[in-house]
Amino acid sequence: QKEVEQNSGPLSVPEGAIASLNCTYSDRGSQSFFWYRQYSGKSPELIMSIYSNGDKEDGRFTAQLNKASQYVSLLIRDSQPSDSATYLCAVGSGNTGKLIFGQGTTLQVKP
Amino acid sequence: GAVVSQHPSWVICKSGTSVKIECRSLDFQATTMFWYRQFPKQSLMLMATSNEGSKATYEQGVEKDKFLINHASLTLSTLTVTSAHPEDSSFYICSAFMGGGEQYFGPGTRLTVT
Repeated sequence: QKEVEQNSGPLSVPEGAIASLNCTYSDRGSQSFFWYRQYSGKSPELIMSIYSNGDKEDGRFTAQLNKASQYVSLLIRDSQPSDSATYLCAVGSGNTGKLIFGQGTTLQVKP
Repeated sequence: GAVVSQHPSWVICKSGTSVKIECRSLDFQATTMFWYRQFPKQSLMLMATSNEGSKATYEQGVEKDKFLINHASLTLSTLTVTSAHPEDSSFYICSAFMGGGEQYFGPGTRLTVT
């Protein structure tokens, strides 16, 4: 069974620090990887997608992918209290668009 | 771009009645739409995959006769919860797939069955 694993947290960081969120996946053939942010009571919002090994940066966010280690991470620089949310790692399954989600990591950014 | 809407955003219904939830992709055509359910403090649970013009594919354990899905066009999918019971109370979220790998989520529908 294909699995995506995340530490549920909570991960607590002070305002201005770098938050590092990690995710591992079991299907070595996976080709697409996504990070979603979900605020309490709201639906998930896509913040990053990554398809090839290495780093991808978008503003304060950097996604890192290492297919050999089956590992995806998300770095949030200069963390703000508004970044406090649950971050869901998702891995694409085949060409159907279907995603396999991790359980999510709760991030708390303290002022 | 990539906006997905859902209607209604919340609904309260009595036990035994049916509720229809609409999911629309507003600025793109979605080859596939997905329906999820989320209980408090839990992750998303995929219920079914919906393709335009064909029958939905349900995940194991999801009752297809209870959760009716109709994907009438490339921009509209509907989920009908039939004979709803209190245990069906949940946050229902749809997403639309453009074909490039990314899914975009609707804002969700909070269903409360009394």
